[in-house]
Formats: sequence, C-alpha cells, structure tokens
Amino acid sequence: EAGVAQSPRYKIIEKRQSVAFWCNPISGHATLYWYQQILGQGPKLLIQFQNNGVVDDSQLPKDRFSAERLKGVDSTLKIQPAKLEDSAVYLCASSLVPLNTEAFFGQGTRLTVV
Amino acid sequence: DQQVKQNSPSLSVQEGRISILNCDYTNSMFDYFLWYKKYPAEGPTFLISISSIKDKNEDGRFTVFLNKSAKHLSLHIVPSQPGDSAVYFCAAAGGGFKTIFGAGTRLFVKA
Repeated sequence: EAGVAQSPRYKIIEKRQSVAFWCNPISGHATLYWYQQILGQGPKLLIQFQNNGVVDDSQLPKDRFSAERLKGVDSTLKIQPAKLEDSAVYLCASSLVPLNTEAFFGQGTRLTVV
Repeated sequence: DQQVKQNSPSLSVQEGRISILNCDYTNSMFDYFLWYKKYPAEGPTFLISISSIKDKNEDGRFTVFLNKSAKHLSLHIVPSQPGDSAVYFCAAAGGGFKTIFGAGTRLFVKA
C-alpha cells in the first residue's frame, strides 16, 4: 500500500514570495489533514477535509494560507505572501474516517522563509 | 493554550531497560488518545492508541496506561532498544475536538 506522498521535500523562499505544497493521500482515505510543525512543537492542524469539503479550518491563517482538495483526492496548500514565521515542516496526513482513528503522515515539506 | 502537555523534552534510557514517556491533558472531553513516533526527516507514524473506556492497552513491547481522573497517560516501552530512539508525540481527540498533539519527547536509547 503506497503511503501519503508530498512534494517538494524542501523549499527555501524569500519573505513575501508565494509557495505551494502538494499532497496525494492514501487511496480510499476520505479524510485529509494539513499540519504545521514548528521546530520544538507538536503538529498543529491547519485544515481538515472530508472528501472535498472543509471540516475544520479554524487555525488556518486565511489572509495568507489557502488549501483545496479537488475531486476529493489530491490537495494543495498555498502560502501567499510568506512570512518568516511560516518557516516550519508542513505535514499532510490522511485517514479512513475522521474521528478517533490514527492518521497516516507523509514525510513533510520543510519550508524555510528567509 | 496547551491542552496536551509532554513536560519532558528528552529522556535517556539504557538498552534493555524500561522507557516511560508521560503526557498530561486538560480537556476532560477528550476520549481517545494516541502515541506517534517520529524519526528525523520522516513524518510521524502511529504507534498505539487507547480509548477512554480502557485504562490499559498493550501491543508487544509497547503499553499505554490511561488515568482519567488524573488526566494523565503514559507510554511504557519494555525492553527499550536503540531503534526506539525517536521523538514520541502524545495526541488527544474526541468530544468533537480536533486531534491535539503534545510537543513531543525525544527518547535516546543507549546501547
């Protein structure tokens, strides 16, 4: 069974530039999550999709972050414009069902904003 | 607002001994708890979970204990192996709340 695929693995951009991350979840997983993990902290949920609908985006900075999940499969997360404090690892995860179950994580994208 | 706390940033244990990783939570609505393990440059991987209707769940060398009255859970690894060296995240979910992760504990198992 293929795992959660993310790209790119690493990205360095200047502040005020834009960046996009891509995620392909495990086949058949209806729930997709984007997490932000800042160094020394645990993953923080940015947005959760159930199929192609948003379930929770309460911690997504909507003035600069956007995410979509077209056709209920792949997803992209975009930051525009980036700030220095956006430097983090962005993790995509998926699960079969949305509640009380383990999530399967991708390797993450390490973003450095300079 | 740290609803899930892992107060020990790191833990060092000798190979063959027991590793005990602790986690505290504040929201009594949480009813499902998970532990994830993370190696460098990889995403977290699920290790073990426990529902609030239980106070213990065991899977091989890994056992999770839940004390609901104290809002505390712990992960026991016996015996510890060098390959267990990783960052361990505690996570809590339930009550309609999104899963909240602790900051992690880095475990070093010395050979």
